[in-house]
Amino acid sequence: QKEVEQNSGPLSVPEGAIASLNCTYSDRGSQSFFWYRQYSGKSPELIMSIYSNGDKEDGRFTAQLNKASQYVSLLIRDSQPSDSATYLCAVKSGGYNKLIFGAGTRLAVHP
Amino acid sequence: DGGITQSPKYLFRKEGQNVTLSCEQNLNHDAMYWYRQDPGQGLRLIYYSQIVNDFQKGDIAEGYSVSREKKESFPLTVTSAQKNPTAFYLCASSMSQGVDSPLHFGNGTRLTVT
Repeated sequence: QKEVEQNSGPLSVPEGAIASLNCTYSDRGSQSFFWYRQYSGKSPELIMSIYSNGDKEDGRFTAQLNKASQYVSLLIRDSQPSDSATYLCAVKSGGYNKLIFGAGTRLAVHP
Repeated sequence: DGGITQSPKYLFRKEGQNVTLSCEQNLNHDAMYWYRQDPGQGLRLIYYSQIVNDFQKGDIAEGYSVSREKKESFPLTVTSAQKNPTAFYLCASSMSQGVDSPLHFGNGTRLTVT
């Protein structure tokens, strides 16, 4: 079983819709969870972090964490074509600040 | 502007040659990391360093070497022992303390070995 799993997609949504990206992880002791956005050929950029159960909102983005189910998700409201990218889920697991990344979900927002 | 600078952006080498990728940061971060990304795969940790003159192997350290002589610099050498060196290499840094310390990435170096 992979440590951090994501559906590779592509996830295709129309402009203005809500995009829902999901991630599961295997280490129950994980404490920190991050979502990165990566445009094609570019480096990842941090868009959200979450550390406790529940929801965390930042603009059009909402991260949701359920530690009991070992599940973290990212919702993007009012999706725009500029949101089209690969979204990487990262989980702090094991040793010091060691992030484990999922393979990413490719999101395509069409006009 | 504070940030992480990786150079060069593109690098081409012949098989059997060692090559060194540069990573410099002016964020005053203690911790630095090297990741490798292959198509369709997540980032995999090669090496990381928490303080100057100290570094640890990540999940795929074989065929790579690093040094951390200065806080700002963490160069990665891809040796001829690395069987599949062609990849996108990402350097990152973070503050040393706290579980809520995200990684910040440089722009990456795309290495092609033929």
